[in-house]
Amino acid sequence: DAGVIQSPRHEVTEMGQEVTLRCKPISGHNSLFWYRQTMMRGLELLIYFNNNVPIDDSGMPEDRFSAKMPNASFSTLKIQPSEPRDSAVYFCASSPLTGELQETQYFGPGTRLLVL
Amino acid sequence: SQQGEEDPQALSIQEGENATMNCSYKTSINNLQWYRQNSGRGLVHLILIRSNEREKHSGRLRVTLDTSKKSSSLLITASRAADTASYFCATDPVPNTDKLIFGTGTRLQVFP
Repeated sequence: DAGVIQSPRHEVTEMGQEVTLRCKPISGHNSLFWYRQTMMRGLELLIYFNNNVPIDDSGMPEDRFSAKMPNASFSTLKIQPSEPRDSAVYFCASSPLTGELQETQYFGPGTRLLVL
Repeated sequence: SQQGEEDPQALSIQEGENATMNCSYKTSINNLQWYRQNSGRGLVHLILIRSNEREKHSGRLRVTLDTSKKSSSLLITASRAADTASYFCATDPVPNTDKLIFGTGTRLQVFP
């Protein structure tokens, strides 16, 4: 099992550019979560999907952020246009909706984003 | 607002000593989980304790839950340098929404 896969692992971009972060959840997991982690704000939930459907996007900072999950094995988080305050580590996590560990989340390695 | 607040924010101990971290939360929960994060890595699930449980063990980890005080503690016994990491509690609040609310974390440093 490869675990949750995120790409790229590191991204450096200039203010105003579009940034796309990618995530492949663990096969068979039905929930997918996008988090942002900074020293100042800690770990924040941005959005989560159940069975590819967005359930709660109340954590998305503003309209510059959007997320999609076109199928069970792929999700994207897009920032357009990016700003320096978006610099953070972005994590994707997945979780099975059934079974003994249904409440457990499995995190990817994260994407470290720096917006200059 | 964050559901969980860990205490202390940072903890430094020598190898072989026990490390205790505490978590307080605000609302009723279905379960509480502890995660570890090594520097530059994603979070890793350690242990889950349900609201009707008071204590749970997993290897060198011992977790307690006091729902009347809305608090939990994580004890790592006989610590090792490899235990150096940040530790987060996460609550699954009632009513269940599939979301976890993560605390602020405790940074543990274990010196050889």
